[in-house]
Amino acid sequence: NAGVTQTPKFRILKIGQSMTLQCTQDMNHNYMYWYRQDPGMGLKLIYYSVGAGITDKGEVPNGYNVSRSTTEDFPLRLELAAPSQTSVYFCASSQTRLQGAGGNEQFFGPGTRLTVL
Amino acid sequence: LAKTTQPISMDSYEGQEVNITCSHNNIATNDYITWYQQFPSQGPRFIIQGYKTKVTNEVASLFIPADRKSSTLSLPRVSLSDTAVYYCLVGEGEGFQKLVFGTGTRLLVSP
Repeated sequence: NAGVTQTPKFRILKIGQSMTLQCTQDMNHNYMYWYRQDPGMGLKLIYYSVGAGITDKGEVPNGYNVSRSTTEDFPLRLELAAPSQTSVYFCASSQTRLQGAGGNEQFFGPGTRLTVL
Repeated sequence: LAKTTQPISMDSYEGQEVNITCSHNNIATNDYITWYQQFPSQGPRFIIQGYKTKVTNEVASLFIPADRKSSTLSLPRVSLSDTAVYYCLVGEGEGFQKLVFGTGTRLLVSP
């Protein structure tokens, strides 16, 4: 199993450009997540999905969109890139949900480092 | 959202026990506490998870007091390879929107 894979590893965008960060998992997990991690900070949840066709906002969704057409893929879309979106983006997945949102082991991808100039 | 706080950094030596505490005053009644380890340029990796009292696995122990407003990750006999940032993760209410990572503790293990 490759686990959670993310592409690209690095990207530089100009202000106003758009791009899609790809995330794929091969563990047949129902739950998938997108986080951003600013330098020296913890992770913040952008969007999450509890299954194909079902997505919802996390703590910091503004400026992003997601879709979940298959169990395996969960792409994150930036429509109009802004310098404030410079960050490292992590995708994660988990299988079951114990009681509470925190009650599941999340498997993380290696991240995408995005710089918006 | 109230912050889930941790000490910014800790120093230790090889072979010592390290205890890292997370304060999560607003943890949801039915939620678990999970700890992750993160090395530079990598995604976080699951260490341990618990709901109450004490949990132990092959790499760590997790102590949770009765009021569940804090938790302590215990790493026995640390080695240089344990140098990393450690995060707690809790839910502070109903739904994933309330999922909050702690501020992170940078652990440096020296020879």
